[in-house]
Amino acid sequence: DVKVTQSSRYLVKRTGEKVFLECVQDMDHENMFWYRQDPGLGLRLIYFSYDVKMKEKGDIPEGYSVSREKKERFSLILESASTNQTSMYLCASSSTGAGEQYFGPGTRLTVT
Amino acid sequence: GEDVEQSLFLSVREGDSSVINCTYTDSSSTYLYWYKQEPGAGLQLLTYIFSNMDMKQDQRLTVLLNKKDKHLSLRIADTQTGDSAIYFCAEGLNSGNTPLVFGKGTRLSVIA
Repeated sequence: DVKVTQSSRYLVKRTGEKVFLECVQDMDHENMFWYRQDPGLGLRLIYFSYDVKMKEKGDIPEGYSVSREKKERFSLILESASTNQTSMYLCASSSTGAGEQYFGPGTRLTVT
Repeated sequence: GEDVEQSLFLSVREGDSSVINCTYTDSSSTYLYWYKQEPGAGLQLLTYIFSNMDMKQDQRLTVLLNKKDKHLSLRIADTQTGDSAIYFCAEGLNSGNTPLVFGKGTRLSVIA
């Protein structure tokens, strides 16, 4: 079974803190993705990566950065957390761009 | 550009059939996917259909694809309370590493 794990299920941070969200997949997938999910807005793509050290901006990259130093790990970084970044964050991986994506359980981040 | 549209809510009685509809805009889609998201969880791949097919059945699930109208539907037979969830459709484009494009999701409520 494909497994995508995320470092935390719930996280509470203060405004201005630097926040790291980690995602690890065990299927040797080339592609990894970070989404945020908000009520009524569906999934919005923040960043994705199709290879180690490669990254591409998604639809809403502002306020975020990413790091992919190893194939299995994709990190999302909030340089200075703000309250409008309170959301559910979902990581996914796939073997090809158009191939099915496998999702982690999500991290619910609250910024106070 | 690509866009995927779904109605936001659907309510059905337990034991009835549910039909969740989706329209997409990009005719170069290769695969079309249905995902299920239970409360507080990540997305789980339910089923998918290749763009040269018009129907796929998998136990209680039937996927219908009308490529001419760019319309996809998911029928759940004998809907159970455990089917209550958000259902997302997604299209995969045949263009290298382009990520899947997701609809905003349809929240299915099953009334006992």
